[in-house]
Amino acid sequence: RKEVEQDPGPFNVPEGATVAFNCTYSNSASQSFFWYRQDCRKEPKLLMSVYSSGNEDGRFTAQLNRASQYISLLIRDSKLSDSATYLCVVNGPSGSARQLTFGSGTQLTVLP
Amino acid sequence: NAGVMQNPRHLVRRRGQEARLRCSPMKGHSHVYWYRQLPEEGLKFMVYLQKENIIDESGMPKERFSAEFPKEGPSILRIQQVVRGDSAAYFCASSPGGRTTGELFFGEGSRLTVL
Repeated sequence: RKEVEQDPGPFNVPEGATVAFNCTYSNSASQSFFWYRQDCRKEPKLLMSVYSSGNEDGRFTAQLNRASQYISLLIRDSKLSDSATYLCVVNGPSGSARQLTFGSGTQLTVLP
Repeated sequence: NAGVMQNPRHLVRRRGQEARLRCSPMKGHSHVYWYRQLPEEGLKFMVYLQKENIIDESGMPKERFSAEFPKEGPSILRIQQVVRGDSAAYFCASSPGGRTTGELFFGEGSRLTVL
């Protein structure tokens, strides 16, 4: 089993749609969780952290379910510019950056 | 540009040649990480360095790969006697310290193609 698993997609949605991505992780000792965004042939960039209570940043909502070891990202009112690959990232118990484990990513294409 | 700088952006090598990839961390950052990304796969941790020290190389293949971060100059990832399977995007990231809020600052990557 992979440490971090994501549905690779692709998800093709029309502008304005709501889309949700899921991610599961295998290490129950994982301490922190993140979503990164990677545009085609570019570097990954931090999109948002994921907190136990759930958190929202504009059109983006992230949720964590520790019992099920499951993370989600919801994007409302999709824009063309949201087209990218979304990487689920999990950090180990030490909090050291070298313990960041990246999922393979979920590809999103928002269509006009 | 005060971001993480990587070069070359694209590198083509024939089997058996050497590849050298360079990374200058963000200003003020003393911790460097190298990752490899194969097509359709996630970023895989390779090595973590501070100035003049390799802290963790648990993700680095035991043969042909080496990394350094000298006192002066960029960090270098060196791949000797490249094979086709080494073709990938190699990303460097930096952070100000070893513990992280989860935000790593990545360079734009070096794309190695082995013919």
